[in-house]
Amino acid sequence: DTAVSQTPKYLVTQMGNDKSIKCEQNLGHDTMYWYKQDSKKFLKIMFSYNNKELIINETVPNRFSPKSPDKAHLNLHINSLELGDSAVYFCASSQVIKLAHEQYFGPGTRLTVT
Amino acid sequence: GQQVMQIPQYQHVQEGEDFTTYCNSSTTLSNIQWYKQRPGGHPVFLIQLVKSGEVKKQKRLTFQFGEAKKNSSLHITATQTTDVGTYFCAGPKNTGNQFYFGTGTSLTVIP
Repeated sequence: DTAVSQTPKYLVTQMGNDKSIKCEQNLGHDTMYWYKQDSKKFLKIMFSYNNKELIINETVPNRFSPKSPDKAHLNLHINSLELGDSAVYFCASSQVIKLAHEQYFGPGTRLTVT
Repeated sequence: GQQVMQIPQYQHVQEGEDFTTYCNSSTTLSNIQWYKQRPGGHPVFLIQLVKSGEVKKQKRLTFQFGEAKKNSSLHITATQTTDVGTYFCAGPKNTGNQFYFGTGTSLTVIP
């Protein structure tokens, strides 16, 4: 009964490949996010999405695209992978109630591009 | 652009010593959140502060939100080895439901 789950946990692939990471939340939240955490542990928001709006952080290359088949899922697709894409990717969700945005994070996917 | 910085980046303390991490924003924040990430783990929500000058406590953890709502601090009294991890503050972006995470403070507790 994991609240936010991600698959796979580890992903090793070569430069130029296309890959996807899946995320599911069973909390009934209306907003989901993707974060990238680099080797220095900096956490950067990549996308936020609810059933009305996709917000893309301006620094995210267009090789990255979120896909949401329904409210409980937000998958991350990455085209033409580069070495610099190696990082841990976290999915998160929240239910926005007034100013409260408590975010629940998934376990993370460690992506290694060789 | 909007930034959230934390100091120090790293902190080593002897078990039983106190620890404080500071979070500073370049802009006024409507609220601020704190998260803890254990080594190899994922960020876990600790608390959210909304009011100017607000102080909240969770057992040995004390959280403060500055009067100007541009800074915050997390203080841990008498650290334990279970406190090891990276502590992040997070402030909302000006638009949307997105948050800027601070640079994080990695805490090591020496038994």
